[in-house]
Amino acid sequence: QQQVKQSPQSLIVQKGGISIINCAYENTAFDYFPWYQQFPGKGPALLIAIRPDVSEKKEGRFTISFNKSAKQFSLHIMDSQPGDSATYFCAASGGSQGNLIFGKGTKLSVKP
Amino acid sequence: EPEVTQTPSHQVTQMGQEVILRCVPISNHLYFYWYRQILGQKVEFLVSFYNNEISEKSEIFDDQFSVERPDGSNFTLKIRSTKLEDSAMYFCASSDLTRQETQYFGPGTRLLVL
Repeated sequence: QQQVKQSPQSLIVQKGGISIINCAYENTAFDYFPWYQQFPGKGPALLIAIRPDVSEKKEGRFTISFNKSAKQFSLHIMDSQPGDSATYFCAASGGSQGNLIFGKGTKLSVKP
Repeated sequence: EPEVTQTPSHQVTQMGQEVILRCVPISNHLYFYWYRQILGQKVEFLVSFYNNEISEKSEIFDDQFSVERPDGSNFTLKIRSTKLEDSAMYFCASSDLTRQETQYFGPGTRLLVL
């Protein structure tokens, strides 16, 4: 009930391509869904976040698509660049709990 | 841009020893968190702290762990008697009153228990 399932575990994309990472959740009390980007040896950095009242949010090359009925959300990285190579974590929080529940992460490699 | 800072960046300790990990949250933030990440695994919630008391804790946060805000700027995590399985990256995070869910993470402390 508290899990957030993330896929794929790893992803290789060519420069300029679209990277897509998917997450699914079960707890309908979740009402906040952020994506974090983590470079090796660094802390997770907030990338973009969405609430269930919208189906899509775009910030620059990063877009979250949200499907409330399916309890799924995804991160799309347009025009992927080698500098985007990092591990991406989806997360969720809400209800009575402010803590973030993280997915297992996706290691993205963007090839030049 | 304000950021969460953590010290030390690395700590090596012997099993059974006490360690204290320190964090300085963003100055106007009121919610504080500790998370850990075992190498290659996902980030896991340990504890949240608000108004000088623990507001939530996970099953990982057992009696060996404690948190404290000793002054107006620092937030600490103490592990009383470290075990090998406590080896991980420990992240502090903070958020403000109006947007509690928007948590900003520090760079982490890598703890190695030998």
